[in-house]
Amino acid sequence: KNEVEQSPQNLTAQEGEFITINCSYSVGISALHWLQQHPGGGIVSLFMLSSGKKKHGRLIATINIQEKHSSLHITASHPRDSAVYICAPRDDKIIFGKGTRLHILP
Amino acid sequence: NAGVTQTPKFQVLKTGQSMTLQCAQDMNHEYMSWYRQDPGMGLRLIHYSVGAGITDQGEVPNGYNVSRSTTEDFPLRLLSAAPSQTSVYFCASSYTGTQYFGPGTRLTVL
Repeated sequence: KNEVEQSPQNLTAQEGEFITINCSYSVGISALHWLQQHPGGGIVSLFMLSSGKKKHGRLIATINIQEKHSSLHITASHPRDSAVYICAPRDDKIIFGKGTRLHILP
Repeated sequence: NAGVTQTPKFQVLKTGQSMTLQCAQDMNHEYMSWYRQDPGMGLRLIHYSVGAGITDQGEVPNGYNVSRSTTEDFPLRLLSAAPSQTSVYFCASSYTGTQYFGPGTRLTVL
């Protein structure tokens, strides 16, 4: 069983839609990262959170430690948000999900 | 700051050849790591270092060596390349948990 499960695996939406990407994990963690991998391959760290909620621009990340679940939300989605979003819970080591491929249509 | 740099960006090797993937960071981060990314799989940790002179194995260390003689540099060596090492390799450095990734090296082993 994978220690990190992301859903959906692929998501296509229209520009302006509200996007939710989910991450469930089975291990105990001290923090969880959300990463964005651009179509060109570069990886950028979006959030690191250990409780509650964080917001940066149109991106919001939430985590529920008790339920071992995190979500990444994108408000007013835009074609430039098209990327792979990776969930990565961390305790003494970091484990990466396989990613959610998001495609926003203009 | 240049952040995390990796060279080369692309490399083709023949089975059995050796090579070194270079990684450098100018942010004075103590923690550095190497990952490989394969289709359909998440990033997997190869080796990591918590500071100069200290390295340790990650999830998939076989076939790879590392050293950390300075805070800035963390090279990854393939001693005898195998087709199974065809992958995209990312180096990252970290401070207070936030990871900064290099642009990646796409390696093909024929």
